[in-house]
Amino acid sequence: NAGVMQNPRHLVRRRGQEARLRCSPMKGHSHVYWYRQLPEEGLKFMVYLQKENIIDESGMPKERFSAEFPKEGPSILRIQQVVRGDSAAYFCASSPPQGDTGELFFGEGSRLTVL
Amino acid sequence: GNSVTQMEGPVTLSEEAFLTINCTYTATGYPSLFWYVQYPGEGLQLLLKATKADDKGSNKGFEATYRKETTSFHLEKGSVQVSDSAVYFCALRPLSGNTPLVFGKGTRLSVIA
Repeated sequence: NAGVMQNPRHLVRRRGQEARLRCSPMKGHSHVYWYRQLPEEGLKFMVYLQKENIIDESGMPKERFSAEFPKEGPSILRIQQVVRGDSAAYFCASSPPQGDTGELFFGEGSRLTVL
Repeated sequence: GNSVTQMEGPVTLSEEAFLTINCTYTATGYPSLFWYVQYPGEGLQLLLKATKADDKGSNKGFEATYRKETTSFHLEKGSVQVSDSAVYFCALRPLSGNTPLVFGKGTRLSVIA
């Protein structure tokens, strides 16, 4: 049973380019969460999605960041016009369907470096 | 609101020393509580969890007890190894279900031989 799969593991972009990070949840999981970890800091919640719905985006910057979880395919975190401050590790996590209060299962992360 | 406060690191211990990493929380109701571990360059792995008051989570020699009266979930290990060097995160998840985890800032542990 494959775990949460994220790709790419490492991504380098120049300022002004776009970054797309992908996340495939564990089999049977329908809830996806994105977190950002800045160097030497904790994890900050960004967005929580179910299939085709954004449930909570209270942690997402208002501009340049967007997320989706289509009916088919992985969840995508998109960062437009990247700036140096976007350099971070972005972690995706998933959980089973509704009513769950257990742990989240995390991927290995995507590490974005903006030059 | 919900929040987690854990002791600041870094913590440096000699091999076989006793480890305590303090964690306290603020939450509405009785959340589930977790400790995650992050090894260098990797993602987060669940270390242990507790879902109700007085529950003790344990794994790989680590333990933590859910203390409702002190709103705490301190992580302990009797004898640390070099391989325990990592960053440890305390987290809570509200009882309402399907909500994001709220993390503490993490505590970096270095164990030296």
